[in-house]
Amino acid sequence: GDSVTQMEGPVTLSEEAFLTINCTYTATGYPSLFWYVQYPGEGLQLLLKATKADDKGSNKGFEATYRKETTSFHLEKGSVQVSDSAVYFCALSEDFGNEKLTFGTGTRLTIIP
Amino acid sequence: NAGVTQTPKFQVLKTGQSMTLQCAQDMNHEYMSWYRQDPGMGLRLIHYSVGAGITDQGEVPNGYNVSRSTTEDFPLRLLSAAPSQTSVYFCASSYSSDLGNTIYFGEGSWLTVV
Repeated sequence: GDSVTQMEGPVTLSEEAFLTINCTYTATGYPSLFWYVQYPGEGLQLLLKATKADDKGSNKGFEATYRKETTSFHLEKGSVQVSDSAVYFCALSEDFGNEKLTFGTGTRLTIIP
Repeated sequence: NAGVTQTPKFQVLKTGQSMTLQCAQDMNHEYMSWYRQDPGMGLRLIHYSVGAGITDQGEVPNGYNVSRSTTEDFPLRLLSAAPSQTSVYFCASSYSSDLGNTIYFGEGSWLTVV
């Protein structure tokens, strides 16, 4: 079956540091890939997505590129802020029109001033 | 536009009690689903629906029941609560387009079974 493997947390960085959170996936078809963010006490918000190989999703300074050859979708940000402290989830959806998401276990990120 | 609305936000139940978590969306989305979030396990799909009158099981359906009588509402019923159902529950709705799926989540319902 489908699976998503995420970098173990927690991750603690200083403000303005470079961020990478690794995500790799296993899927039988050609999935869409997502990063969701969950701020403390809140639900999940879509951060970015990519629907086909070599697509780059980007939002709020975060980027991730769909790499089919390495089955990866790593999340990056060049300069993190305290407000980026949250839990980040990598997820995939197997097919167009398929609303079922398979999630990674989440990575808790804490940014210190 | 309220998006996806879940109620209640917090609930404590005794073992064996039943209850319903409500979920409503005002975006006219066909697809709706319920997930549970447990520490170290990410989110797991409980049940989902591809439209009014149609429901199906996800990865962890045991102990839960759903129905979809309208496009807007997708309640999740716990038939006889167990401590293993202590979790955070998220409802989601989504639509598909040529750009892929876009999935929206509610703010979550924290459930404790004692």
